[in-house]
Amino acid sequence: TQLLEQSPQFLSIQEGENLTVYCNSSSVFSSLQWYRQEPGEGPVLLVTVVTGGEVKKLKRLTFQFGDARKDSSLHITAAQPGDTGLYLCAGLTSGTYKYIFGTGTRLKVLA
Amino acid sequence: ETGVTQTPRHLVMGMTNKKSLKCEQHLGHNAMYWYKQSAKKPLELMFVYSLEERVENNSVPSRFSPECPNSSHLFLHLHTLQPEDSALYLCASSQAPPRGGADTQYFGPGTRLTVL
Repeated sequence: TQLLEQSPQFLSIQEGENLTVYCNSSSVFSSLQWYRQEPGEGPVLLVTVVTGGEVKKLKRLTFQFGDARKDSSLHITAAQPGDTGLYLCAGLTSGTYKYIFGTGTRLKVLA
Repeated sequence: ETGVTQTPRHLVMGMTNKKSLKCEQHLGHNAMYWYKQSAKKPLELMFVYSLEERVENNSVPSRFSPECPNSSHLFLHLHTLQPEDSALYLCASSQAPPRGGADTQYFGPGTRLTVL
C-alpha cells in the first residue's frame, strides 16, 4: 500500500516565524501536489512539481521535490495568520488516476 | 459559475434514507473523482471517471453508487448508510491524458454528510 507520511501533524507558531513541512514516501511519484484546505472547504491547489530536485516558489512558500521523486517539502518564510490551514501533499503514480494523499499538517499561525 | 461546485453543502440523513450528492465542473475537464475525508484519516479516493467511464473503484461498499452521465456532471447515490459514513465528501476534476495518468486536480467545496 502506498503511503505518504507528513510531518509534523500539528504546528502552532507565532507570526513571523519560519517553518518546514515534510511529505515522505517509499514510493516514486510522477508528480506531487501541495494543497491548502480551510475548514468547511475543499483543498485548494498551491503547486505541482514533476521533476526530481525541482524547486518552486510561490511568494513566501518554497516547494521542493526530492531527487528520487519520493518526498517533498514545503517551507514557509515569515508565516502569517492567513497561512493557517490544513496542508496536504498528494502524489500521482505514472499511468494511473490514483492520487495518494498525505496524512496532513494542520498549521496555526498566531498573530 | 466557475470551477467545481457541489450540492448540497450539508446533508443529514437517516440510515434508511436514499439521497444523492451532485458535482458539476465548469473547467472543461474529462476526469472526475469522488473522495471521502474523515477526521484523522487521509483523503480516501472512492471513484474515478475518465471520459464518462469508471476507471477506479477503490473497494467502496455498494451502498455508495456513482453515476457520471457526462463529462461535466458526477453523482454519488447513497442508500442505507451507516453512521461511520459520516464525513466530508469531495468531488474533483482534472484533465486526463489519453494514455492514463491525470493532470492536476481541482476540488469542489465538499458535502458535509451526517448519518444518524
